[in-house]
Amino acid sequence: GAVVSQHPSRVICKSGTSVKIECRSLDFQATTMFWYRQFPKQSLMLMATSNEGSKATYEQGVEKDKFLINHASLTLSTLTVTSAHPEDSSFYICSARRGSSPNTGELFFGEGSRLTVL
Amino acid sequence: LAKTTQPISMDSYEGQEVNITCSHNNIATNDYITWYQQFPSQGPRFIIQGYKTKVTNEVASLFIPADRKSSTLSLPRVSLSDTAVYYCLVGGANTGGFKTIFGAGTRLFVKA
Repeated sequence: GAVVSQHPSRVICKSGTSVKIECRSLDFQATTMFWYRQFPKQSLMLMATSNEGSKATYEQGVEKDKFLINHASLTLSTLTVTSAHPEDSSFYICSARRGSSPNTGELFFGEGSRLTVL
Repeated sequence: LAKTTQPISMDSYEGQEVNITCSHNNIATNDYITWYQQFPSQGPRFIIQGYKTKVTNEVASLFIPADRKSSTLSLPRVSLSDTAVYYCLVGGANTGGFKTIFGAGTRLFVKA
C-alpha cells in the first residue's frame, strides 16, 4: 500500500536552532500534503496545507514565519521549525492524499516526528 | 467543515464487539465520513470510509443512517491490540482540497 515517510522520527535540539522535518510520499504523487502538531493526550491540530509549487496555507494562529513549509516536488514536503523554543516541543505529523478526488482520496499519514527543544 | 462529537473514552474486553458512535449534525451533502485509528507516538491509520448506509472491510464496519447526522464504527471481536484512539472525520471538497480536521477522538481501552 501507499506509504508516507517522515524523517527524522526523533530530534533533539537546542533552543534557538532550526529543525527541518521531511515528509515523503514513497509510491504516489501528492499535490497536497498536510502538517499537524500533536501534544500529549491531545488530538491532532492542523497547522497548514502544503501545496506543490505554491505557498502553503496556514491555519489561524500558526505563525508562517516560524513554521516554514516547502513543497518543492510531488513527493516531498518539508517543515522547518525556525528558532525553536521549548514550547515548540511536540509530535509533528504529515499526511498526503492519494488520488485525485478531494472527497474520497485516502489520506496516508507519516510515522510522526517527535521534536524536543532543550 | 462539519464538527464531530464522540465519546471521550470507552472500555471493552477482548472478544467483544465495540461500537463507537460519532455525531455530525451539520454534515454537508458532499461530505464523506472517515475513521482513523492512532496508536501512541504513531501517525493515524485509515480504517474505513463511507457516504451512506453500510460499508464493511476486513477490519471494521461503518453504519450511516439515512439522515447521515451520525455514524457508528463497529469493531468485531476486539483484541488488546485494538487499544487506541479512534477519530471520526467528516469533510469534503473545498478550495484547499480535503482539509482534514481532527476532533477529540475516542480512547478505546481493551482489557484482557
